Amino acid sequence: NAGVTQTPKFRILKIGQSMTLQCTQDMNHNYMYWYRQDPGMGLKLIYYSVGAGITDKGEVPNGYNVSRSTTEDFPLRLELAAPSQTSVYFCASSAPDETEAFFGQGTRLTVV
Amino acid sequence: GNSVTQMEGPVTLSEEAFLTINCTYTATGYPSLFWYVQYPGEGLQLLLKATKADDKGSNKGFEATYRKETTSFHLEKGSVQVSDSAVYFCALRYKAAGNKLTFGGGTRVLVKP
Repeated sequence: NAGVTQTPKFRILKIGQSMTLQCTQDMNHNYMYWYRQDPGMGLKLIYYSVGAGITDKGEVPNGYNVSRSTTEDFPLRLELAAPSQTSVYFCASSAPDETEAFFGQGTRLTVV
Repeated sequence: GNSVTQMEGPVTLSEEAFLTINCTYTATGYPSLFWYVQYPGEGLQLLLKATKADDKGSNKGFEATYRKETTSFHLEKGSVQVSDSAVYFCALRYKAAGNKLTFGGGTRVLVKP
């Protein structure tokens, strides 16, 4: 059972470049989330989705975009990478009740 | 809005010592509460959870009790091991607040032999 899969695991971007972080889950979860974790810090919610076609902003959405065309996939797009976006990005999914969320292994992104 | 506050680290302990990590929350109702653990270089894993007042979550020797009167969910372990060195996150999830998972800032625990 794969759970939540994120790709890539590591990436180095130059300032101004764009990229998409991929996230897919095979648990048929309605809810999906993107978090970022800065060094030595907690997790901050970037965007979340409660189902296909529905997305909403979290605490720190600036500089990011998302889409949710299927239940399984929730890609995160960085359009113009900035050094402030250097972080570890985690995708998570959960059922629509108050049960736990399941996390991917993370994508470590460095913008230089 | 909902929020979670947990004690700042790092917490440094000797093996077999008692561990407590304090966590308090603010919510308009009665959320579900979670402790997640993050081992070095890995993602977050659920450690334990409690879904209603007075519930006790337990796993791998760790325990936490959902205290509605003090809005707390403190994590405890009676005898830590070096392998418990990790970052621990307290979190809540509340259906009436959109079911978003809200995290505390994390507490780094280092257990020395």
